[in-house]
Amino acid sequence: GAVVSQHPSRVICKSGTSVKIECRSLDFQATTMFWYRQFPKKSLMLMATSNEGSKATYEQGVEKDKFLINHASLTLSTLTVTSAHPEDSSFYICSASRRNQETQYFGPGTRLLVL
Amino acid sequence: AQSVTQLDSQVPVFEEAPVELRCNYSSSVSVYLFWYVQYPNQGLQLLLKYLSGSTLVESINGFEAEFNKSQTSFHLRKPSVHISDTAEYFCAVSPNSGGYQKVTFGTGTKLQVIP
Repeated sequence: GAVVSQHPSRVICKSGTSVKIECRSLDFQATTMFWYRQFPKKSLMLMATSNEGSKATYEQGVEKDKFLINHASLTLSTLTVTSAHPEDSSFYICSASRRNQETQYFGPGTRLLVL
Repeated sequence: AQSVTQLDSQVPVFEEAPVELRCNYSSSVSVYLFWYVQYPNQGLQLLLKYLSGSTLVESINGFEAEFNKSQTSFHLRKPSVHISDTAEYFCAVSPNSGGYQKVTFGTGTKLQVIP
């Protein structure tokens, strides 16, 4: 199998605080991890792509200083939403893929609510 | 550049009836094609994929999709749906260039199975 977990599944925070979301590949080495944001009734929007040991590549319009991504190991990537505001409230989903493989395996998502 | 079109945002269907969820894509290069399913408040799960070979691909739970290159389509079908199939289905495409390439998702089709 190819299982990807995310923690936490749901988080509520105050405006101005930072929130860290973890994404782990449980039974395979994920050389590439992806972070998506999903708005209600919309498709997934790719935020950034990260390769283990390298800086993340951000999609156009995504603030890299706002959404800090770290991919320090082959099984763990983190997304930190810095100084969160209510407009950052969303469903954040990570996915992971093996080296040179086209299939992405998705985590269960993290619902962030910023008050 | 590539794009995916899912014309139907919602498809209601009675239990045990057949269903077809439409997906059309555009791309200047050869592609890989995917269908993902998302249950409420969960991440995406890979349902089936076309990489090469036979144009008809099947999933373990009775869904199938056929790659039609001339019509640039990858419609998803099931001959008899169950209540448990109620979910949102996303069609996705990536360039067939080996290794990781950016995946583009459609806007999703919500399948509502009516008892």
